[in-house]
Amino acid sequence: SQQGEEDPQALSIQEGENATMNCSYKTSINNLQWYRQNSGRGLVHLILIRSNEREKHSGRLRVTLDTSKKSSSLLITASRAADTASYFCATDANQGNKLVFGAGTILRVKS
Amino acid sequence: NAGVMQNPRHLVRRRGQEARLRCSPMKGHSHVYWYRQLPEEGLKFMVYLQKENIIDESGMPKERFSAEFPKEGPSILRIQQVVRGDSAAYFCASSQNRDTYGYTFGSGTRLTVV
Repeated sequence: SQQGEEDPQALSIQEGENATMNCSYKTSINNLQWYRQNSGRGLVHLILIRSNEREKHSGRLRVTLDTSKKSSSLLITASRAADTASYFCATDANQGNKLVFGAGTILRVKS
Repeated sequence: NAGVMQNPRHLVRRRGQEARLRCSPMKGHSHVYWYRQLPEEGLKFMVYLQKENIIDESGMPKERFSAEFPKEGPSILRIQQVVRGDSAAYFCASSQNRDTYGYTFGSGTRLTVV
């Protein structure tokens, strides 16, 4: 399996509920980033968390990072129909020149 | 600031033709990255360029693919003699300080080989 795997593959929730997506990776990292992709569109950068940080917030988003477990989670609180999209985690390895993406979690928020 | 601009948005090529994809990074960004996304998959790194230099092409197929970022003008990803397996979305990203701000992606070019 490749670096940056998301779990679950797909998630369907009701508007107003919270959505939690998880990401696991394998090698040491410089930082971990979360991106959103609406169908047929480009990626939008959501949040970046450095390897020495444990938690970060941005609006309704909360990201945690556990480097001992090589895992991260993205929590979207009070979800909205507009949050429907694919969410990807990506790791930026130390001394690396590239982001390594997982296959993504497809989130569907029903109104 | 217009963001990362890619063109064309959609490109259809017959097998054996050449495809040229263009990317203009955000103003002030001199680092460009190309990624490829197959249907229902994540993005895969292809190449990292700075002006007039290829820094890392470890993700580029050995044949038919090339990339450049000239001193003037956009970055070009060129695919020669396209095959059906080249059909994908190709994204370009640029960064000012990737350790702080991450990457800004363009809207992509969707290549269809018929």
